[in-house]
Amino acid sequence: DSGVTQTPKHLITATGQRVTLRCSPRSGDLSVYWYQQSLDQGLQFLIQYYNGEERAKGNILERFSAQQFPDLHSELNLSSLELGDSALYFCATGQGLETEAFFGQGTRLTVV
Amino acid sequence: DAKTTQPTSMDCAEGRAANLPCNHSTISGNEYVYWYRQIHSQGPQYIIHGLKNNETNEMASLIITEDRKSSTLILPHATLRDTAVYYCIVRVRSSNFGNEKLTFGTGTRLTIIP
Repeated sequence: DSGVTQTPKHLITATGQRVTLRCSPRSGDLSVYWYQQSLDQGLQFLIQYYNGEERAKGNILERFSAQQFPDLHSELNLSSLELGDSALYFCATGQGLETEAFFGQGTRLTVV
Repeated sequence: DAKTTQPTSMDCAEGRAANLPCNHSTISGNEYVYWYRQIHSQGPQYIIHGLKNNETNEMASLIITEDRKSSTLILPHATLRDTAVYYCIVRVRSSNFGNEKLTFGTGTRLTIIP
């Protein structure tokens, strides 16, 4: 157990809908990273926050957004969902910008 | 981030040492070598990292060549639970804005054979 908690573990929703994925960091972790892993693809970096501020953006669609709250938990919002958004979504957190990151167990999103 | 090259797959007999190679010939002086693994569809698990010296922890050893252009992750006594995809990642370990993310490649699928 990495200490990083992601909820929900599974999510099934219809096309066009909007969902919110939540990530609770380990105690003291200020950095959070979001990744997407589709069935036939590797781990794709989406976005990174550090202490509430956005640090880096990867291949994140405009329909997706994220934020990190004052209590350091983070949410990834996915809207106008398409079938191709079905994937595992992982968050990882770390104490600082320079430390190793620890991953949660992911949210499996299925869009039908 | 520097690119890494890993074998697509490897087999190792249970109880033997598993040696996973990684080439990172364009690594920069401020880039560390990190290893993660992903068991089935679980979240990636941090294993070890290093800069230029060999490192060892309770999970594995990391051997980095003197020129830092390649490294080897060693699992000393592989068990069936070590079957996973292993990712070698080079990553800047500094506070340069936006350079701290982990960029995953395709990794090595390690299968431990009973």
